[in-house]
Amino acid sequence: DTGVSQDPRHKITKRGQNVTFRCDPISEHNRLYWYRQTLGQGPEFLTYFQNEAQLEKSRLLSDRFSAERPKGSFSTLEIQRTEQGDSAMYLCASIAGRSNTEAFFGQGTRLTVV
Amino acid sequence: QQPVQSPQAVILREGEDAVINCSSSKALYSVHWYRQKHGEAPVFLMILLKGGEQKGHDKISASFNEKKQQSSLYLTASQLSYSGTYFCGTAFNAGNMLTFGGGTRLMVKP
Repeated sequence: DTGVSQDPRHKITKRGQNVTFRCDPISEHNRLYWYRQTLGQGPEFLTYFQNEAQLEKSRLLSDRFSAERPKGSFSTLEIQRTEQGDSAMYLCASIAGRSNTEAFFGQGTRLTVV
Repeated sequence: QQPVQSPQAVILREGEDAVINCSSSKALYSVHWYRQKHGEAPVFLMILLKGGEQKGHDKISASFNEKKQQSSLYLTASQLSYSGTYFCGTAFNAGNMLTFGGGTRLMVKP
């Protein structure tokens, strides 16, 4: 078990381009979360999956953001028509079935929109 | 609702103690504490569930006051390795996602 892995670690893109990030959670963890973190701030919730079902999505998430977890294993987060305000660290976390257990975070994908 | 952490920043000398607070305006099911070092992912410290329990390992402990909807993280005899940003994450029920506070930046100096 190598922990939660995210790919890529860094992404620089031009405004208006689409980007996709991938998260591989710890195997057999059925809950997967996406967070966004900007400098000096705490992680901000984006969306949450239990197995392949997307159970919750932040109201802050615009229609440009979409996430999938097709087989209940890895997940992808896509941002369409990126804006400079999208620049942030995107963190993925996975939790084993019960909610009162720790969330394991990946190293994150740092997105810079120029 | 995002929990509120205080203080926002703390500077300590090695060996000194610190307390970090996390407050919610809504009834909590659980409070999670994480530490994040610069450029790294948040690392889990501990979870407290409603019921007012207290936990700890080594020189880091935490309490959860259910009546006040407040949790406190206690760092005693701080070490240089304690430096980082501490986040509390709160959940309102068993199936809820974690909502994180703004963080408390802790710097321990020799």
